Amino acid sequence: KAGVTQTPRYLIKTRGQQVTLSCSPISGHRSVSWYQQTPGQGLQFLFEYFSETQRNKGNFPGRFSGRQFSNSRSEMNVSTLELGDSALYLCASSLATGHPSGANVLTFGAGSRLTVL
Amino acid sequence: GQQVMQIPQYQHVQEGEDFTTYCNSSTTLSNIQWYKQRPGGHPVFLIQLVKSGEVKKQKRLTFQFGEAKKNSSLHITATQTTDVGTYFCGEGFKTIFGAGTRLFVKA
Repeated sequence: KAGVTQTPRYLIKTRGQQVTLSCSPISGHRSVSWYQQTPGQGLQFLFEYFSETQRNKGNFPGRFSGRQFSNSRSEMNVSTLELGDSALYLCASSLATGHPSGANVLTFGAGSRLTVL
Repeated sequence: GQQVMQIPQYQHVQEGEDFTTYCNSSTTLSNIQWYKQRPGGHPVFLIQLVKSGEVKKQKRLTFQFGEAKKNSSLHITATQTTDVGTYFCGEGFKTIFGAGTRLFVKA
């Protein structure tokens, strides 16, 4: 079956612009999580969506937002881009059974690499 | 808030040497998941541990969940160049990860 698809894979923006990234989860996966990865900073959790509702949110400014559609596809938006927003943005989907023992096993997409100039 | 700490941040080993990375949480974990990210790639799920004191093996990799469910470890026996990458731990369901341990293997 198809994996998690993220588009675009690479993009270059300038400071002050905004960007929208897209994520198509694995068919049947209802949860989509977004992460920011910068060198040496690991995986910084942005937010998680489940059934079109934001269920969890990380510690990022309001410039970072997201949404999920009825088909579970998700988008994240970053407004007023800053140089520090340059990073690999990873999306991960899961079945999200909601029970710890059968917990989210995340399947990650290849990521969208954003460069802000 | 909940924190998951991983040590060491980096580890350089000679091929054939063993390697261990540790994951520690400030709170009790419901489970622990481990992922591996190859250079230039994306994280890939390795394993999930749920029970206190649980030990699971995958070929040369041994995963352990602490008795108090606050820590976990990943041990690789006789490392190979294919083991190169960053290993992340985190609690499933809450999707919070440690900063990862980056493994370098010298042939």
